[in-house]
Amino acid sequence: GDSVTQMEGPVTLSEEAFLTINCTYTATGYPSLFWYVQYPGEGLQLLLKATKADDKGSNKGFEATYRKETTSFHLEKGSVQVSDSAVYFCALLRESGTALIFGKGTTLSVSS
Amino acid sequence: ETGVTQSPTHLIKTRGQQVTLRCSSQSGHNTVSWYQQALGQGPQFIFQYYREEENGRGNFPPRFSGLQFPNYSSELNVNALELDDSALYLCASSLGTGKTDTQYFGPGTRLTVL
Repeated sequence: GDSVTQMEGPVTLSEEAFLTINCTYTATGYPSLFWYVQYPGEGLQLLLKATKADDKGSNKGFEATYRKETTSFHLEKGSVQVSDSAVYFCALLRESGTALIFGKGTTLSVSS
Repeated sequence: ETGVTQSPTHLIKTRGQQVTLRCSSQSGHNTVSWYQQALGQGPQFIFQYYREEENGRGNFPPRFSGLQFPNYSSELNVNALELDDSALYLCASSLGTGKTDTQYFGPGTRLTVL
């Protein structure tokens, strides 16, 4: 079945460091891909998305490119801030558009 | 524009009881999806409602049921609560059911079953 695999955390970085969180997926057809962020005690916020191969999603300095050939959607940011500390979820939305399939989440901790 | 809202914020129930969780969709959205997020895990899809009809269901038993109303708000009902039902329940709304229709999440309801 469809699935998403994320790198395990926690990821611990110093402020202004470069961030990469790896995400790969298994799916039939051509799903849409998403990154959501969850701050402590809150729901999920959409960070960015891509709906077809080679699309690049970007928001608040974060970027991810939909790579069909490697079935990947890695999240990157050039310079992290303390306020970026949160749990990041990679997800796919099937072509049917019903269920989002999530990875297990990666906890990011940024210190000053 | 009002986002997705959920009520209550927190809820404590005992095993065997029944619970109803509520969700108001974002303005203009006709589709609501429900997810269960256990502690330290990613959300798991429960079901989706589109224009008052169930449009897909995940691997959850029949004691998880739902409704969608004409104003597109929705309820999640869980009967015969079990300890493993303790989780954060998330509601998401979207403009439709296509793969490009982004699901926007509410803040969630934290359910504790004792």
